[in-house]
Amino acid sequence: DSGVTQTPKHLITATGQRVTLRCSPRSGDLSVYWYQQSLDQGLQFLIQYYNGEERAKGNILERFSAQQFPDLHSELNLSSLELGDSALYFCASSVTGLGYEQYFGPGTRLTVT
Amino acid sequence: GESVGLHLPTLSVQEGDNSIINCAYSNSASDYFIWYKQESGKGPQFIIDIRSNMDKRQGQRVTVLLNKTVKHLSLQIAATQPGDSAVYFCAEIGDYGQNFVFGPGTRLSVLP
Repeated sequence: DSGVTQTPKHLITATGQRVTLRCSPRSGDLSVYWYQQSLDQGLQFLIQYYNGEERAKGNILERFSAQQFPDLHSELNLSSLELGDSALYFCASSVTGLGYEQYFGPGTRLTVT
Repeated sequence: GESVGLHLPTLSVQEGDNSIINCAYSNSASDYFIWYKQESGKGPQFIIDIRSNMDKRQGQRVTVLLNKTVKHLSLQIAATQPGDSAVYFCAEIGDYGQNFVFGPGTRLSVLP
């Protein structure tokens, strides 16, 4: 158990809908990272927050957004969902904002039908 | 859980043998490298890391080698066990922690 929690574990929704994925980092970690993992692809970095502020941005679509709250939990919002958005979404956390020693949560499996 | 990376390269080794998993990275300015292990249905798990000012680092049963000349990273697992069966990813971090790139992964299969 990494200490990072993600909810929900599974999510099934229809095209065009909007969903919110939630992540709670390990106690003491200030940085949160979001990744997307499709069946035939590796991990794609989406976005990073450090102590409430956006720190780095990867291949995140405009339909996706995220934020980190004062209690350091983070939410990833996915809107106007398409079939191709079906994937595992992982959250990771680390103490610093430099990307070192990221601890991953168990992931949320999103299925868009 | 559903398998990740259905078309990943696979390395099959006999239990007890040593495994070597390779990774080519892309950014010569990357200054930090990590190996992760991902078991079926789980999130990636940190194994070992190495900074760009080193060429070798050892952990418990694992060794990471870094060759900056050819931008190559390898993970060596000694005395491979069935519990080592998983997908292994390398990751490179650069630009003061603002650029994260994960490799495509290699599936390690340990044969009895």
